[in-house]
Amino acid sequence: EVQLVESGGGLVQPGGSLRLSCSASGFTFSSYAMHWVRQAPGKGLEYVSAISSNGGSTYYADSVKGRFTISRDNSKNTLYLQMSSLRAEDTAVYYCVKDEKQRVGSSPIYYYYMDVWGKGTTVTVSS
Amino acid sequence: QSVLTQPPSVSGAPGQRVTISCTGSSSNIGAGYDVHWYQQLPGTAPKLLIYGNSNRPSGVPDRFSGSKSGTSASLAITGLQAEDEADYYCQSYDSSLSVLWVFGGGTKLTVL
Repeated sequence: EVQLVESGGGLVQPGGSLRLSCSASGFTFSSYAMHWVRQAPGKGLEYVSAISSNGGSTYYADSVKGRFTISRDNSKNTLYLQMSSLRAEDTAVYYCVKDEKQRVGSSPIYYYYMDVWGKGTTVTVSS
Repeated sequence: QSVLTQPPSVSGAPGQRVTISCTGSSSNIGAGYDVHWYQQLPGTAPKLLIYGNSNRPSGVPDRFSGSKSGTSASLAITGLQAEDEADYYCQSYDSSLSVLWVFGGGTKLTVL
């Protein structure tokens, strides 16, 4: 069974740092891109960051660029999100999400979508 | 403001059919990017419901269907059940943004 388990959330003061981890199991972690998506209390989903399967490419939403760093350790089947200069507006549940790639019939076209979500870890930024 | 626009809420009685729209623009849905849908039951993580505009993952009932046309997409739920009460999000891609992936603002479905 594919499983993603986030950890590392907690209460942190504004300006502080936190590192989230996501332990993956049940699939070949090194073959898939991974994402972080967050959800502020009572709000919708917000895209945060992505990383390619080998870690060579990373992507960030403007709201976190320069403050957050996504990384992965394929030998440990673990995804990370290093968060610094945290703000009150970063308060949210952070979800680790697996990317999936599926070929469309026999064509050279693929669907790319987020197929498995972890249960999330809560980050609260407050003094 | 989300790049993809969804109605904040929809409702329907058990057994009825409801649709949830997801309206984009020429830089996302209208550019040919696929649309995916996620269901978030109260207090739980989102779950993939529809991928590639109209495909259901294994285990998703055929009461759920998706479609895409022009700059919009829709999620239809037929034979509405109490357990369908949840938040629904569309997701696509936008070539005008620094990050490719975008979500709709979400729609709360209430089963009356």
